[in-house]
Amino acid sequence: SQQGEEDPQALSIQEGENATMNCSYKTSINNLQWYRQNSGRGLVHLILIRSNEREKHSGRLRVTLDTSKKSSSLLITASRAADTASYFCATDENSGNTPLVFGKGTRLSVIA
Amino acid sequence: GAVVSQHPSRVICKSGTSVKIECRSLDFQATTMFWYRQFPKKSLMLMATSNEGSKATYEQGVEKDKFLINHASLTLSTLTVTSAHPEDSSFYICSARRTDRGVNTGELFFGEGSRLTVL
Repeated sequence: SQQGEEDPQALSIQEGENATMNCSYKTSINNLQWYRQNSGRGLVHLILIRSNEREKHSGRLRVTLDTSKKSSSLLITASRAADTASYFCATDENSGNTPLVFGKGTRLSVIA
Repeated sequence: GAVVSQHPSRVICKSGTSVKIECRSLDFQATTMFWYRQFPKKSLMLMATSNEGSKATYEQGVEKDKFLINHASLTLSTLTVTSAHPEDSSFYICSARRTDRGVNTGELFFGEGSRLTVL
């Protein structure tokens, strides 16, 4: 079953603009992860934020986590055409041997 | 870093045949692996949890007799799509939880995926 709901489902921006994607989830989590997927390819792990963290940065990526609202956001700054891909959040209960549960994803198009 | 290998990356088969996809953890042990299915422009849907040495746990709506999972060793899980049908055409992705001396480390790694096309 899917837990996360990404918002928006599709986003089209100009190169250089910032892209913000949001994710909501339903259950308690140990961490939340963001992945990127180019069309027809595998997943690329972008960033992991633990439940006791509120914000994390990695290069042009900024992730926030609000456990009280059960939501997270991914911000890509100064976007490039190469950022065009689908982005998924995935929640990890990490309780025993639980799987990642993926959101529906946001399809980002960055226009040069 | 830890690597999960999936094979084959692409496979085309005729309706009615069976196709086996392998998921192998190359430099770590994994007592638990997960199989996901992804339709075009959709997200990953968990199909089943593969447990080493025991039966897989299937998600609701996934036919266990159609999608046979075998986790015979600490580094290999296989998914066999039996009597394949064009509706089974999809992208299948596995992931593996890393264990260290039987203890779940919390780390999880994904394979590159296998694209199945059933004619």
